[in-house]
Amino acid sequence: QKEVEQDPGPLSVPEGAIVSLNCTYSNSAFQYFMWYRQYSRKGPELLMYTYSSGNKEDGRFTAQVDKSSKYISLFIRDSQPSDSATYLCAMKSGGGSNYKLTFGKGTLLTVNP
Amino acid sequence: DGGITQSPKYLFRKEGQNVTLSCEQNLNHDAMYWYRQDPGQGLRLIYYSQIVNDFQKGDIAEGYSVSREKKESFPLTVTSAQKNPTAFYLCASRRDSLTTDTQYFGPGTRLTVL
Repeated sequence: QKEVEQDPGPLSVPEGAIVSLNCTYSNSAFQYFMWYRQYSRKGPELLMYTYSSGNKEDGRFTAQVDKSSKYISLFIRDSQPSDSATYLCAMKSGGGSNYKLTFGKGTLLTVNP
Repeated sequence: DGGITQSPKYLFRKEGQNVTLSCEQNLNHDAMYWYRQDPGQGLRLIYYSQIVNDFQKGDIAEGYSVSREKKESFPLTVTSAQKNPTAFYLCASRRDSLTTDTQYFGPGTRLTVL
């Protein structure tokens, strides 16, 4: 079993839809959870960052973490064509010299106008 | 503007050549990282450096080399020993902090072997 599993997609939705992107993980050492957005041929940009179970909201984006189930989600409300991108989940373990980020393989999202 | 820059944006290499990818950051971050991204494979760690003049191998270091002579610079050399170098290369940096512990990425370099 891979440490981080991400729904591969691709996902295609109409504009205005609610989008749910998901990752599961197996390593209990993961402490912090991140979502990156990557537009085609660009570097990933940090979208959301959270470390506790529960929800964290930022505008149209909500990051949800369930540590007991080892499951994280990113919800996008009122999706826009500009949200079309690949979304990567990432999970941090360790700190200092032992710091490591483990990434999911990404989900390609297309929002159709 | 603060950030991470990578150059060139596109790079073409002939078989048997070594090429060097540049990564510079002016964020005063301590740690820097190199990843390789292939379609359907996600991000794979090549090398990382926590401090100047020190670096460690990541998961796929074979065929690559790095140096960290300055805090702001972390160049990656793709050697002729790397059998399948065509990929998108991403540099990232991180400030070693208890409260802000995330990586920030550069725009990437796409390397193609001719």
